[in-house]
Amino acid sequence: QQQVKQSPQSLIVQKGGIPIINCAYENTAFDYFPWYQQFPGKGPALLIAIRPDVSEKKEGRFTISFNKSAKQFSLHIMDSQPGDSATYFCAGGSNYKLTFGKGTLLTVNP
Amino acid sequence: KAGVTQTPRYLIKTRGQQVTLSCSPISGHRSVSWYQQTPGQGLQFLFEYFSETQRNKGNFPGRFSGRQFSNSRSEMNVSTLELGDSALYLCASSSSGAKNIQYFGAGTRLSVL
Repeated sequence: QQQVKQSPQSLIVQKGGIPIINCAYENTAFDYFPWYQQFPGKGPALLIAIRPDVSEKKEGRFTISFNKSAKQFSLHIMDSQPGDSATYFCAGGSNYKLTFGKGTLLTVNP
Repeated sequence: KAGVTQTPRYLIKTRGQQVTLSCSPISGHRSVSWYQQTPGQGLQFLFEYFSETQRNKGNFPGRFSGRQFSNSRSEMNVSTLELGDSALYLCASSSSGAKNIQYFGAGTRLSVL
């Protein structure tokens, strides 16, 4: 199986909160783990990505934590804003092919 | 640099017809991948092309096909359309030096009636 399991399906936080989205993978051939953000009517936009030899990566308010032994990784959004309200997808990548999680609908209330 | 461009943005077809979707990758990107996005199945990989050759294929029936031209532009074709083919079809491009860093277009919304 080459699934990527993503949770939760939906998440509601208040402005300034720190939503956390989790993903677990099975395919140990994955060598790249991106997160995408998608707004309604738009294509997914690359947000941040990590390689399996790194345990954490920060870009602005977004942080990926990666646990290779557990085959899990997560996205943290610091100081969340209403403009962060979107669907977030994690993925595992290998040989130009991305396998996506089912997505998390994040709502940040003002 | 222009992003990934997909045309048309919207299509309405009837069952049994065929459809062709077009994708222009980011300049300099030679790999083009196609994905199908539906509410039920999420984002699923269709196929990937590099230098006019299909290198990777997902688990879709043979009605789904594609090709890539010498300028890296790609087309995807779906024949004998079924209602279940209604979806957002997304194209992504990547460069040779960053094989899994894929940039997506806005997609083509296909509705099959």
